[in-house]
Amino acid sequence: GENVEQHPSTLSVQEGDSAVIKCTYSDSASNYFPWYKQELGKGPQLIIDIRSNVGEKKDQRIAVTLNKTAKHFSLHITETQPEDSAVYFCAASITVNDYKLSFGAGTTVTVRA
Amino acid sequence: DTEVTQTPKHLVMGMTNKKSLKCEQHMGHRAMYWYKQKAKKPPELMFVYSYEKLSINESVPSRFSPECPNSSLLNLHLHALQPEDSALYLCASSQALGEQFFGPGTRLTVL
Repeated sequence: GENVEQHPSTLSVQEGDSAVIKCTYSDSASNYFPWYKQELGKGPQLIIDIRSNVGEKKDQRIAVTLNKTAKHFSLHITETQPEDSAVYFCAASITVNDYKLSFGAGTTVTVRA
Repeated sequence: DTEVTQTPKHLVMGMTNKKSLKCEQHMGHRAMYWYKQKAKKPPELMFVYSYEKLSINESVPSRFSPECPNSSLLNLHLHALQPEDSALYLCASSQALGEQFFGPGTRLTVL
């Protein structure tokens, strides 16, 4: 099955700096890569996703890049704010594989004011 | 309406109790999911319903019993649970493959 590795496990950044989280996946058939943000006591929130026919996608301060050859994808958060503090999960799925998302282990991001 | 709702928010139950978790979505999504999430871990898929039929059961113990009464509702019936079943139970829904939207979860404690 698909194996997704996520690094780092924790990340502390100064407010206003950028944060980068990286994930690698094992199955070259994976073609959908969402990122979720989970705040304390809440469910995961889909913040951005990318499909395998696209190399980069941006939405305001967040962006995701995908390198299919190297089988890795990254989340970039610019101009970080205290409200960006949360746990972030990457995931991958093979579209034909009945909706199953394989999650990374998560990254706890702390933005220092 | 882009929301998945779950009730109750918190549930405490004994090992001999029977209880149910409820999930509802009004986005017209045709797939609904149950996940279990332990502290500091990613969600683990338990069940998937597609067009109101169970399509995936990730080898979940029979003390967890899902039910999909209609395309908007998903229940998880709980019976004879163990303390290690204490976790956050998340419901999600999706229209197409991918793009799953999660509810806030039910925090379950089994005594």
